[in-house]
Amino acid sequence: DTGVSQDPRHKITKRGQNVTFRCDPISEHNRLYWYRQTLGQGPEFLTYFQNEAQLEKSRLLSDRFSAERPKGSFSTLEIQRTEQGDSAMYLCASRNLAGEAQYFGPGTRLLVL
Amino acid sequence: GESVGLHLPTLSVQEGDNSIINCAYSNSASDYFIWYKQESGKGPQFIIDIRSNMDKRQGQRVTVLLNKTVKHLSLQIAATQPGDSAVYFCAEKGDDKIIFGKGTRLHILP
Repeated sequence: DTGVSQDPRHKITKRGQNVTFRCDPISEHNRLYWYRQTLGQGPEFLTYFQNEAQLEKSRLLSDRFSAERPKGSFSTLEIQRTEQGDSAMYLCASRNLAGEAQYFGPGTRLLVL
Repeated sequence: GESVGLHLPTLSVQEGDNSIINCAYSNSASDYFIWYKQESGKGPQFIIDIRSNMDKRQGQRVTVLLNKTVKHLSLQIAATQPGDSAVYFCAEKGDDKIIFGKGTRLHILP
């Protein structure tokens, strides 16, 4: 399967703990995006990278959130000191600069207890 | 500002009939629109896209119509099948991010 992959698919954690999610984009896709989706809503943009450079961050991305793409391939999204309000589906997408469409991974569902 | 929205949160269609899902957007400067399908527990799946210099685009069993005059977008699914049951999002490209509406849940009636 050459689509976007995300790991883990599910994560349950206690409030205050740190969590890290990984995204592997479609091979050779330059741009990688993170979105968050809560129940009944559409995904909301968090941040995106072109190769290893983080080009934009949403105001939704508080200082407890940090994303990296150190080698311009996979990316990680870390949430420190998780809160119950962080419970959501975290989605990763990628696209090639030659095209417009973003292709999404299966998401990581986070539950903070 | 940028926003997209769908007219109905839920749509029920008889299997075999055609489905039409509607969407309104507010940013007249938007130049690229996408329809995504999201099944339960999965990420959004790209269905079809359209640029603002077009008013119609067809795919396999799907057609997207764009009316820039009234800022309206629709997705037509021909001969709806049980596998079409999902939440459908219209979305627009704002800068380099995708802006999603709330979605329409499509129910297929036997």
